[in-house]
Amino acid sequence: LAKTTQPISMDSYEGQEVNITCSHNNIATNDYITWYQQFPSQGPRFIIQGYKTKVTNEVASLFIPADRKSSTLSLPRVSLSDTAVYYCLVRDNYGQNFVFGPGTRLSVLP
Amino acid sequence: GAVVSQHPSWVICKSGTSVKIECRSLDFQATTMFWYRQFPKQSLMLMATSNEGSKATYEQGVEKDKFLINHASLTLSTLTVTSAHPEDSSFYICSARLAGMVDTQYFGPGTRLTVL
Repeated sequence: LAKTTQPISMDSYEGQEVNITCSHNNIATNDYITWYQQFPSQGPRFIIQGYKTKVTNEVASLFIPADRKSSTLSLPRVSLSDTAVYYCLVRDNYGQNFVFGPGTRLSVLP
Repeated sequence: GAVVSQHPSWVICKSGTSVKIECRSLDFQATTMFWYRQFPKQSLMLMATSNEGSKATYEQGVEKDKFLINHASLTLSTLTVTSAHPEDSSFYICSARLAGMVDTQYFGPGTRLTVL
């Protein structure tokens, strides 16, 4: 199975920009990278999805380098309500499985 | 749009009984749905892939006779935990793939199963 690697945890303060990087060395040529946010006892919520370069929506930006072996989720001006676990999701290069990374537990402090 | 519901949101049952969890895509059709299990402080683990009108594909180590999956329509998949035991207690989450968008999954709110 392909593996993804993310920092286990990150701390930030309200109003700061937060960047979370995910490594996915075995990503397949046609696969997209998707990031989700999860609060305790809830299902993951779709944040953003991209294939290459940069994607931006109303809540985040996603930066993907040319080799696509990593991606960085950027959350501008975080608030306390952004405290959650963030997962990157890619499709395994050797099969059809979606592989969740270990997740990054973001704590936003006042 | 792209809303997925699960029912029930939580269930408590006695050891040895069976529990059925429903997953519905409310505003889109989903040819493929997925079932995940999540233990406390851990990431989601894929249990099986459910394709409408065909048998589910189970991940290695997941007992297909214990976790019965039925995907009878484009908006409904069910997971039945048969002869549940305390070690089956977990948070079960389904997701649905939006038809035509290969890599986007939308997740349900999850079902908390507690087996006494």
